Amino acid sequence: GAVVSQHPSRVICKSGTSVKIECRSLDFQATTMFWYRQFPKQSLMLMATSNEGSKATYEQGVEKDKFLINHASLTLSTLTVTSAHPEDSSFYICSGGTAYEQYFGPGTRLTVT
Amino acid sequence: AQKVTQAQTEISVVEKEDVTLDCVYETRDTTYYLFWYKQPPSGELVFLIRRNSFDEQNEISGRYSWNFQKSTSSFNFTITASQVVDSAVYFCALSEERFTGANSKLTFGKGITLSVRP
Repeated sequence: GAVVSQHPSRVICKSGTSVKIECRSLDFQATTMFWYRQFPKQSLMLMATSNEGSKATYEQGVEKDKFLINHASLTLSTLTVTSAHPEDSSFYICSGGTAYEQYFGPGTRLTVT
Repeated sequence: AQKVTQAQTEISVVEKEDVTLDCVYETRDTTYYLFWYKQPPSGELVFLIRRNSFDEQNEISGRYSWNFQKSTSSFNFTITASQVVDSAVYFCALSEERFTGANSKLTFGKGITLSVRP
């Protein structure tokens, strides 16, 4: 089946730095991808919808200037956490798919120290 | 607004017991998809099932079965003869109509932590 990859799988960064997370669709073209955030022992919450060639759509309460999303090609969406703070430490998961199937990436665990 | 309620937070059973995980949803859409995912400690979501709103047939896949009832807005998941490897967090999720097909943004329930003891 189709696969979505994420890189890196784990990242530790210092407070105030920026971190980029990549989400790739390996064998299908994704015009739309989704970014979710999951805090420990909590559910997945949608952050934004990434649209190829256009601006991302952010959910209420998500700061678009802090979580920059770029979807420059049909196989790659990136999420950049700018000026990261410890409260941004979380598990970030992307998803994408076709009209028939949706696939989740393996997730990226971000720890901000 | 869409909502998924998984009232059970933690369930602990002994191996070989049957267990049912409940899911109740709310939506104003007439077309939608319902999903179940398994999240083991590694964190990666494992797809279990997708059901569209027009298909109310129950489904069985090995030890897993699902009961979809639109009348009660429920989509319950039963594991028969549970095994230790079934220990994980299970999420029920609902998609939005305005996204066509299965690639939709999902509203997740809070998840149920299932522990299966030997």
